[in-house]
Amino acid sequence: EDQVTQSPEALRLQEGESSSLNCSYTVSGLRGLFWYRQDPGKGPEFLFTLYSAGEEKEKERLKATLTKKESFLHITAPKPEDSATYLCAGRNYGGATNKLIFGTGTLLAVQP
Amino acid sequence: DTGVSQDPRHKITKRGQNVTFRCDPISEHNRLYWYRQTLGQGPEFLTYFQNEAQLEKSRLLSDRFSAERPKGSFSTLEIQRTEQGDSAMYLCASSSTGDYNEQFFGPGTRLTVL
Repeated sequence: EDQVTQSPEALRLQEGESSSLNCSYTVSGLRGLFWYRQDPGKGPEFLFTLYSAGEEKEKERLKATLTKKESFLHITAPKPEDSATYLCAGRNYGGATNKLIFGTGTLLAVQP
Repeated sequence: DTGVSQDPRHKITKRGQNVTFRCDPISEHNRLYWYRQTLGQGPEFLTYFQNEAQLEKSRLLSDRFSAERPKGSFSTLEIQRTEQGDSAMYLCASSSTGDYNEQFFGPGTRLTVL
């Protein structure tokens, strides 16, 4: 069964304290690993898509990387405004499906 | 703003009532998706349209749920005879076709069934 697992469930950082969030996946024929940010009461906001092992993408203080089994979201020198839930999702290949399979997210709190 | 829009943003209903939600995708996107999200969980796929054709439905989508996209533009999701377990955030997303088709989400409709 296709599955995406995120860790940790929650992470509290001090402003400026860098860290990484983990997303491990077992998605048959993975065709894209997606990262989203979600603020309370809002829809997920697209951050990155990674398609092949070794690929990296960056946006401001965030960098996403992908291996054959997992993805990492590195947060460098975070600020309080980076506080949110970060969701990881995989898309599998085959047939008509284009659905995303989400993990349960990592709730990040950055304290000033 | 040309993002995905959803209406209403909040809906409170009594158990047994029917509710309908609307989603307007990004105008150039021909793929539209519905997901459901409960507290502390990631979104779960419900159904997917390409243009007006409904191409996939999740096992989560019971007979009480029906979705339409009659002209390949906006979509509606109807829940009949609502139950307390239907309380959740209902999210709509859209994407273009092709391999690099990131899904962009709307703000969601928060449903509370009393």
